[in-house]
Amino acid sequence: AQSVTQLDSQVPVFEEAPVELRCNYSSSVSVYLFWYVQYPNQGLQLLLKYLSGSTLVKGINGFEAEFNKSQTSFHLRKPSVHISDTAEYFCAVMNTGFQKLVFGTGTRLLVSP
Amino acid sequence: DSGVTQTPKHLITATGQRVTLRCSPRSGDLSVYWYQQSLDQGLQFLIQYYNGEERAKGNILERFSAQQFPDLHSELNLSSLELGDSALYFCASSVDRTGQKYFGPGTRLTVT
Repeated sequence: AQSVTQLDSQVPVFEEAPVELRCNYSSSVSVYLFWYVQYPNQGLQLLLKYLSGSTLVKGINGFEAEFNKSQTSFHLRKPSVHISDTAEYFCAVMNTGFQKLVFGTGTRLLVSP
Repeated sequence: DSGVTQTPKHLITATGQRVTLRCSPRSGDLSVYWYQQSLDQGLQFLIQYYNGEERAKGNILERFSAQQFPDLHSELNLSSLELGDSALYFCASSVDRTGQKYFGPGTRLTVT
């Protein structure tokens, strides 16, 4: 079975500052990794995904994440956030043999002016 | 716009009642997934259908059932509703096994 831990339930940050949202996963087999964003009153949108290849993955809206197999982490980063980045961010993992996505509990990113 | 549509957007009903949530996947997507998002449980996978057949089951209660029709739309049926069933129910669709899922806007269910 897979599990995902998002260590921070809320991350407050000032506009134009860098941010890192942490995600650690647990799995005994190979996995695919994802970050989703949920804006207020909206559905989930895929930010980026790691399937294989380069461990540094670039996504939409200037976000990127790095897959670290030895540390079983997939932290999300952005060098300079905007007010519009205020949202809930979910890390998710999927066993490569199945299609069930297991989500973390989410991290609320609060960007202030 | 993900291309996945869900109806209704909001639903308010009483305990003990039964409701049906509807999802239309993106054109060409054969897989449909249902998720429940609540304050208590977070975002949880309920069930997946692929081309009309149940493919995977998650934390779906026995009071809940789903099906996927020949035109690939899916319905999630929730019966004997309890207050704790109040949540946002998402549908997602995908075309392949790599897991890129496109989520609908959700149906907010309130049980009073």
